[in-house]
Amino acid sequence: GQNIDQPTEMTATEGAIVQINCTYQTSGFNGLFWYQQHAGEAPTFLSYNVLDGLEEKGRFSSFLSRSKGYSYLLLKELQMKDSASYLCAVRDSNYQLIWGAGTKLIIKP
Amino acid sequence: IAGITQAPTSQILAAGRRMTLRCTQDMRHNAMYWYRQDLGLGLRLIHYSNTAGTTGKGEVPDGYSVSRANTDDFPLTLASAVPSQTSVYFCASSVRGGVNEQFFGPGTRLTVL
Repeated sequence: GQNIDQPTEMTATEGAIVQINCTYQTSGFNGLFWYQQHAGEAPTFLSYNVLDGLEEKGRFSSFLSRSKGYSYLLLKELQMKDSASYLCAVRDSNYQLIWGAGTKLIIKP
Repeated sequence: IAGITQAPTSQILAAGRRMTLRCTQDMRHNAMYWYRQDLGLGLRLIHYSNTAGTTGKGEVPDGYSVSRANTDDFPLTLASAVPSQTSVYFCASSVRGGVNEQFFGPGTRLTVL
């Protein structure tokens, strides 16, 4: 079967750095996405990785290792508005997205 | 309209009733999707459409039907609602199927009693 694993919840302090991990086992791989979802709102696109390595976009970076079936999202200089759920999704061999259950990130002052 | 809209925002429905959730996008995206999101589970794909006139089944299609008569609209119909269909439903679109990032509507919260 196909499986995406993420921690259920994480807590971090304002101004700090946090790394959210995602491991996957899917039938084929055609890219990995990270989305942010604030409570009661729609998911919004954050990043996309298809090749190994680090993609940096402002305070957010995403890393991919295809051989390990592993990705992480790195958030720097945390702000209170970063409190949200972070969803990892993998595009499988049928080009459909398989979604993890999401990681709820709580930021404390 | 800017982006994707969904209607209604929320709905309480008696079991056995028929219900259509509406989704409209004005971005001229070719592909559209319907997901349900339940607590503790990832988004699950119900149905999708890669282009107007075509539809496909996702991971959890039973009890749901869709149509894609034109580019902009992608309604989801529950023919006879059951309590297990209580969920938050998100419509999404992308420029092309399976290629680009998806843009999501605000969601419809559906409760079936």
